[in-house]
Amino acid sequence: NAGVTQTPKFRVLKTGQSMTLLCAQDMNHEYMYWYRQDPGMGLRLIHYSVGEGTTAKGEVPDGYNVSRLKKQNFLLGLESAAPSQTSVYFCASSPAGQGAYEQYFGPGTRLTVT
Amino acid sequence: SQQGEEDPQALSIQEGENATMNCSYKTSINNLQWYRQNSGRGLVHLILIRSNEREKHSGRLRVTLDTSKKSSSLLITASRAADTASYFCATGPPRSGAGSYQLTFGKGTKLSVIP
Repeated sequence: NAGVTQTPKFRVLKTGQSMTLLCAQDMNHEYMYWYRQDPGMGLRLIHYSVGEGTTAKGEVPDGYNVSRLKKQNFLLGLESAAPSQTSVYFCASSPAGQGAYEQYFGPGTRLTVT
Repeated sequence: SQQGEEDPQALSIQEGENATMNCSYKTSINNLQWYRQNSGRGLVHLILIRSNEREKHSGRLRVTLDTSKKSSSLLITASRAADTASYFCATGPPRSGAGSYQLTFGKGTKLSVIP
């Protein structure tokens, strides 16, 4: 099992450009999440999904869009990149249910917006 | 906004010593989890403790939870150089709340274990 994979690993964008980050998981998890990690800030939730075709906003959703067309994939889009979106982006997944479950993280995508 | 706050922000110890990190949080929780992040990598789950539990062990890890003080501690015994990493606590809200599957992460403790 590959677990959670993310592509690309690194990317440099110019202000105003767009891009899509891809997250894939092979654990048949219902829930998927996108976080950003900035120095000294810990992880902040951008968007999440509780199942195929459903998405919801997290703590810092502005400037991002997401889609979950297939259960195993969760896409994060930046329509018009801004320097404030320079960050490391992590995708995670977890099983469904109201119980307490650990989250499984991908290796991250380091994005720089100039 | 961050729910958990780790203390200290950074900790440096000699190999073989014990390392203790603390986490404080503000609102009711269903569970509290600890994660490790090696430099340049994703987070790895270490241990989960539920709100009705007081202590949990996993190998060299010991986690305590005091819901009356809204705090948790992570103890790593007999530390090794490979334990050098950042450690994050994450809280899960009460089951009845909306988004009860979401975790809120603290800012982390950076642990350095000197060989």
